[in-house]
Amino acid sequence: EVQLVESGGALVQPGGSLRLSCAASGFTFRSYAMNWVRQAPGKGLEWVSGISGSGAGTYYADSVKGRFIISRDNSKKMLYLQMNSLRAEDTAVYYCANDPTTVVTQRSYFDSWGQGTLVTVSS
Amino acid sequence: SSELTQPPSVSVSPGQTASITCSGDKLGDKYASWYQQKPGQSPVVVIYQDTKRPSGIPERFSGSNSGNTATLTISGTQAMDEADYYCQAWDSSSACVFGTGTKVTVL
Repeated sequence: EVQLVESGGALVQPGGSLRLSCAASGFTFRSYAMNWVRQAPGKGLEWVSGISGSGAGTYYADSVKGRFIISRDNSKKMLYLQMNSLRAEDTAVYYCANDPTTVVTQRSYFDSWGQGTLVTVSS
Repeated sequence: SSELTQPPSVSVSPGQTASITCSGDKLGDKYASWYQQKPGQSPVVVIYQDTKRPSGIPERFSGSNSGNTATLTISGTQAMDEADYYCQAWDSSSACVFGTGTKVTVL
């Protein structure tokens, strides 16, 4: 059974930093691209970032480019999102999701999702 | 980045067919996927790569994509299908876009 478990969400002040983690199990982690998708309270889904199975390719939404860094540790089956210079508009539930296409392409999609972790940016 | 537009809401009677559209520039040249999200739950993929249905998803869910519009069709809609639905595609710059979302109400 595929399991994705996010952690690291918290209340943080504007301008602060936070690191989210996603523990994966039940599938061949290195063969899947991985992504972070967020959902602000009462709003729709917004893709944040993606990373290829090897970690060589990383992709970001314009809204987080230069502030967030995605990474993965295939030996530990872990996905990370380092979030810097946080803003109020970054407040959201952050989901990790796996993509059966090893390399991010037009064919990519989000097969399994975690339960999400809440990030609140407020003073 | 590109935008994907969906109707805010769709109402359907039990047993009838619900069609949810997703419009974007040359969307038919890309692959569209669809996600169902019920209140308080994580999204679930119901259609990927335009027409493919994951294992465990009922046959009443189907998808198509042509021109500027992708469509999710729910045939014989059931009360359990009441949820928010989002389309999704990747643009040419390797950025992913989600649609604006559609709330499906089964009356």
